[in-house]
Amino acid sequence: DAGVIQSPRHEVTEMGQEVTLRCKPISGHNSLFWYRQTMMRGLELLIYFNNNVPIDDSGMPEDRFSAKMPNASFSTLKIQPSEPRDSAVYFCASSLKSSYNEQFFGPGTRLTVL
Amino acid sequence: AQKITQTQPGMFVQEKEAVTLDCTYDTSDPSYGLFWYKQPSSGEMIFLIYQGSYDQQNATEGRYSLNFQKARKSANLVISASQLGDSAMYFCAMGGASGGSNYKLTFGKGTLLTVNP
Repeated sequence: DAGVIQSPRHEVTEMGQEVTLRCKPISGHNSLFWYRQTMMRGLELLIYFNNNVPIDDSGMPEDRFSAKMPNASFSTLKIQPSEPRDSAVYFCASSLKSSYNEQFFGPGTRLTVL
Repeated sequence: AQKITQTQPGMFVQEKEAVTLDCTYDTSDPSYGLFWYKQPSSGEMIFLIYQGSYDQQNATEGRYSLNFQKARKSANLVISASQLGDSAMYFCAMGGASGGSNYKLTFGKGTLLTVNP
């Protein structure tokens, strides 16, 4: 079975540009999470969805960030406009309410904003 | 609020020896889960082991075991017979208990483990 798929794997953009990160969760999973990882702040939860509905977006840094999950197999995280301080690795993870609530992570998108 | 503390920024261990990575937590929830993830230099996050707060026995998964001391609020990861491939960043995390409705994970800052040949 395919794991969590993220695209692109690497993104380099200039300040002010719009950036869209994409995620395909594991089929059948009903929860999806977006994390950001930086050296300074570690792993931070940005937002999570349950059954395609945003449950908690308190980790979204500011209005420049938005996330959508139009269906059970696709989610996007958009940054508009991007800033250099948004440079980080962005992970998508999915899970199924089961015995462990274990989250399966995608490979991450390394974003560099120049 | 849940909080995870990993006090060891880096650890070194000789190949084939055992190593313990520390993790302490704080929560007011009566029911919770504790997780360990491994992040090798390639960047992916790999789930290693889970311990539920009401589990009577310490969790084990191959060479990984979780030394769970509820009264001390600690959930240390023990890796036995270290291998060179164990060199990675290790994250302790806390989230909802088995079957619960809390899906959020709170991560510690991580411990960088280096296995020496």
